[in-house]
Amino acid sequence: DIQMTQSPSSLSASVGDRVAITCRASQSIGSYLNWYQQKLGRAPELLISAASSLQSGVPSRFSGSGSGTDFTLTISSLQPEDFATYYCQQSDLTPWTFGQGTKVEIK
Amino acid sequence: QVQLVQSGAEVKKPGASVKVSCKASGYTFTSYDINWVRQATGQGLEWMGWINPNSGNAGSAEKFKGRVTITRDTSISTAYMELSSLRSEDTAVYYCARVPQDNYYYYMDVWGKGTTVTVSS
Repeated sequence: DIQMTQSPSSLSASVGDRVAITCRASQSIGSYLNWYQQKLGRAPELLISAASSLQSGVPSRFSGSGSGTDFTLTISSLQPEDFATYYCQQSDLTPWTFGQGTKVEIK
Repeated sequence: QVQLVQSGAEVKKPGASVKVSCKASGYTFTSYDINWVRQATGQGLEWMGWINPNSGNAGSAEKFKGRVTITRDTSISTAYMELSSLRSEDTAVYYCARVPQDNYYYYMDVWGKGTTVTVSS
């Protein structure tokens, strides 16, 4: 199975901060990398597909980059509604696997 | 609007089976795969398997092979995930999510709200 490792596991940041979350795959996955946001008690929501393609309706402060084994989710200016847990997920090979999550908390 | 509506919470005893449903609306059911993902309390997301509602072809993660059965009923636009031989470690929220077919890239773009399954004696 492909292992997905996110870092950091958690971070504290202030409104307006620039935040970057990294995701590393245990083998090359091309651009088969998706990012999801999950708020407490809610289902995950798709933010970015194919490493860098922003989903319709997702604010432009979110962006994704990378290919191969190293990927980054960036929030350019953190907003109050962005405090949540973020997961990367590879869809190159089954079983699809997720990173362990990055919890973004208010400083 | 596009939505996936899941069945209600379940409480089961160890060794029993549970069948969770996922009813699609607002789009053509047979044009999107349905995937199943679970999440234990306070834990991360775990992919379980998928089904192509058009063909009925399905697959699951090796971890669940022999215990999970994913089916669909196209007449009512509903997918099902049945998990057997339940143990306490299967206590989790189970989500269905759709995946566009005929795409170069695969992603889960619409999710159900989740079904809580509790396994307890």
